[in-house]
Amino acid sequence: ETGVTQTPRHLVMGMTNKKSLKCEQHLGHNAMYWYKQSAKKPLELMFVYNFKEQTENNSVPSRFSPECPNSSHLFLHLHTLQPEDSALYLCASSQDRGSANTGELFFGEGSRLTVL
Amino acid sequence: AQTVTQSQPEMSVQEAETVTLSCTYDTSENNYYLFWYKQPPSRQMILVIRQEAYKQQNATENRFSVNFQKAAKSFSLKISDSQLGDTAMYFCAFCQNNNDMRFGAGTRLTVKP
Repeated sequence: ETGVTQTPRHLVMGMTNKKSLKCEQHLGHNAMYWYKQSAKKPLELMFVYNFKEQTENNSVPSRFSPECPNSSHLFLHLHTLQPEDSALYLCASSQDRGSANTGELFFGEGSRLTVL
Repeated sequence: AQTVTQSQPEMSVQEAETVTLSCTYDTSENNYYLFWYKQPPSRQMILVIRQEAYKQQNATENRFSVNFQKAAKSFSLKISDSQLGDTAMYFCAFCQNNNDMRFGAGTRLTVKP
């Protein structure tokens, strides 16, 4: 069983759909992250949760809505997306936000999102 | 804001040879961490190597080593004796204090048999 699991692995949706991405970590970590990976662009940090509290929102459009019901689960709710939102969405976790300084970020395999 | 630049979108190397991936970064701070992450095709991104800025000695992990030039703000990754399994996207990343990790755009490395 991998440490960080993301579902679905692939998602195709229309601009009027509502869908959610799910991330689950089995490492006992307290910090979780959403990153957006687009081709030829740096990974974009979207949201950070530390001990279930959102501590970072990097000017992400409101059509992306995160939810962290507990330290093990992180969701990204999607609605009225645009084609430019098509990307690989990566979830990561660390023991806590501070330990990410030492590189102890553990990533999931990502959810490949295509918006038509 | 700190930025990380990887100037080589794609590279290739023959199996068993050596390849160097470039990375530069921008910061006004003196204490920070630098990383190289590897993302194999359709697999999870994993940490390859880490360098603390206060350490002058270059980090080494088996066939992977870095050339850390603090004054030049350069942090290149050298892969020796390249193997087919080294084919992946490689991301350079930067982190300081309690700020979150920032990544470059990645270099796609292909190891040819």
